[in-house]
Amino acid sequence: DTEVTQTPKHLVMGMTNKKSLKCEQHMGHRAMYWYKQKAKKPPELMFVYSYEKLSINESVPSRFSPECPNSSLLNLHLHALQPEDSALYLCASSQGRLNTEAFFGQGTRLTVV
Amino acid sequence: QKEVEQNSGPLSVPEGAIASLNCTYSDRGSQSFFWYRQYSGKSPELIMFIYSNGDKEDGRFTAQLNKASQYVSLLIRDSQPSDSATYLCAVNPSSGGYQKVTFGIGTKLQVIP
Repeated sequence: DTEVTQTPKHLVMGMTNKKSLKCEQHMGHRAMYWYKQKAKKPPELMFVYSYEKLSINESVPSRFSPECPNSSLLNLHLHALQPEDSALYLCASSQGRLNTEAFFGQGTRLTVV
Repeated sequence: QKEVEQNSGPLSVPEGAIASLNCTYSDRGSQSFFWYRQYSGKSPELIMFIYSNGDKEDGRFTAQLNKASQYVSLLIRDSQPSDSATYLCAVNPSSGGYQKVTFGIGTKLQVIP
């Protein structure tokens, strides 16, 4: 089983709203990731959690706030987003060891109005 | 110089032919290499993962890695229309337990029936 589950699949939110994206995996993976992907562009890394600790923050604006409640769950809290934040948000996970692969969830299509 | 370079395409091949997708990278110390297939509007799906020099075969797919020349390629034999997608090359320079992959821009493959 290489399944990473993301909810919701689609989200429309206003610029004053607060919402959260959720990601779950039950593969025992110890590294989890958030990526942002705009149309016709490759995924851009936002955050990496390794063993439930934030290891990488790629200078992401504070209106995006990640959270890793346990080794299976990853959240991305959204607040005061801008229309240019509209994108496909992808969660991924990997074993957390050298030379292992990462698997992506189905993504959340976010539209900010 | 871009860290991971791919020709954006489109690469058009007739059904049944071999599709050859190429990727070069700039960080000589890169550890592991991935090919993801991404259909329009969907999330990336892992196709191949390689970290040792040489060839790795999985069904109709063969990944080839040459660290001395800093390139990795993906061959798709007996190409099918369902293989039409964007193929993302990803390179992990990290020697740590998580990935900080850099994606290429992706090559769009069109398989003509």
